[in-house]
Amino acid sequence: SAVISQKPSRDICQRGTSLTIQCQVDSQVTMMFWYRQQPGQSLTLIATANQGSEATYESGFVIDKFPISRPNLTFSTLTVSNMSPEDSSIYLCSAPEGIAKFFGPGTRLTVL
Amino acid sequence: GQQLNQSPQSMFIQEGEDVSMNCTSSSIFNTWLWYKQDPGEGPVLLIALYKAGELTSNGRLTAQFGTTRKDSFLNISASIPSDVGIYFCAGQPLNTGTASKLTFGTGTRLQVTL
Repeated sequence: SAVISQKPSRDICQRGTSLTIQCQVDSQVTMMFWYRQQPGQSLTLIATANQGSEATYESGFVIDKFPISRPNLTFSTLTVSNMSPEDSSIYLCSAPEGIAKFFGPGTRLTVL
Repeated sequence: GQQLNQSPQSMFIQEGEDVSMNCTSSSIFNTWLWYKQDPGEGPVLLIALYKAGELTSNGRLTAQFGTTRKDSFLNISASIPSDVGIYFCAGQPLNTGTASKLTFGTGTRLQVTL
């Protein structure tokens, strides 16, 4: 199965600042996915990150708030911009292997 | 966004008991996946189901892909304390390729007592 790492594992940030989360996959993948998991909730897809093109965002998520980079086939970043306490969540990246999907350990973000 | 209906929402069982949880959707899915999430961790894939009617086991876990393609269930036999966690079902829609989007269930929180 794909091995996925994320950095940082957790952070506490001030309102109005931005945080960039990194995701590294141990194999080349065409698509990577970013999810948000609000406290006590299930996972919600933020966007799909394709290498060489702009990310595709789900309803309710916009590029200005969650810019994504995908510079190569094993790496992606998600930035949470102009943060507010409502952005406090776990952010997870995911990559496919076959038809299954595998997840990183998540980045736990707390915004004060 | 859409979420799958998963039940029960939580379960509190004794060690050694069997556990059953299910997931239903108004939409057809081509693939069903079951994950377990421990506190502070990302979801870990338990079982993947690719065909309607398929029954697949992974140790003490057994999952089935419903024949209507709109439901799936997961059974855990002889539960042990390390089974504690949140279990999520996830579906991928029909007519999408390998890297298709997952829709997640609402989750079942399992607690096991000695």
